[in-house]
Amino acid sequence: RKEVEQDPGPFNVPEGATVAFNCTYSNSASQSFFWYRQDCRKEPKLLMSVYSSGNEDGRFTAQLNRASQYISLLIRDSKLSDSATYLCVVIPYGGSQGNLIFGKGTKLSVKP
Amino acid sequence: DAGVTQSPTHLIKTRGQHVTLRCSPISGHKSVSWYQQVLGQGPQFIFQYYEKEERGRGNFPDRFSARQFPNYSSELNVNALLLGDSALYLCASSLHEKLFFGSGTQLSVL
Repeated sequence: RKEVEQDPGPFNVPEGATVAFNCTYSNSASQSFFWYRQDCRKEPKLLMSVYSSGNEDGRFTAQLNRASQYISLLIRDSKLSDSATYLCVVIPYGGSQGNLIFGKGTKLSVKP
Repeated sequence: DAGVTQSPTHLIKTRGQHVTLRCSPISGHKSVSWYQQVLGQGPQFIFQYYEKEERGRGNFPDRFSARQFPNYSSELNVNALLLGDSALYLCASSLHEKLFFGSGTQLSVL
């Protein structure tokens, strides 16, 4: 079983749609969780951290369920500029910011 | 301020050759990490260095090696290149709790 698994995608949605990405992680001792965004042929960039209490940044909401080892990302009112690959990321137990475990990524295409 | 810089941006090598990739972290960042991203996959951790010491190593063969210099820049070396080493190699530097990636070196092995 892979350490971090994501929806296979791709997700093709119209502008204005709400889209949800899911991710599961295998190691219950994992300590920190993130969503990164990666545009085609570019480097990954931090989108947001994920906390058990849930956190929101504008149109983006992230949620962590430690009991189910499940992480989610919700994007409301999708924009064309949201088209990218979204990577679920975990810091393993004993790891640090320099040692991240990435999921395979889910590609999102927002169409006019 | 300059971000994480990597060189070269693109590289073409043949099987069996070796390659050296370079990375300069953001000024003040003492930790450098290397990742390999094969097309269609997420980045995979290779090495982390902090204050010139190896802090972590991913599941890569001994053909992969790295080092960090006193100015915190870093090199990733890959010997005896295989076709499967073709990938985007990403360097990242970190300070405290935030990680910043360079734009990567695209390596093609023919």
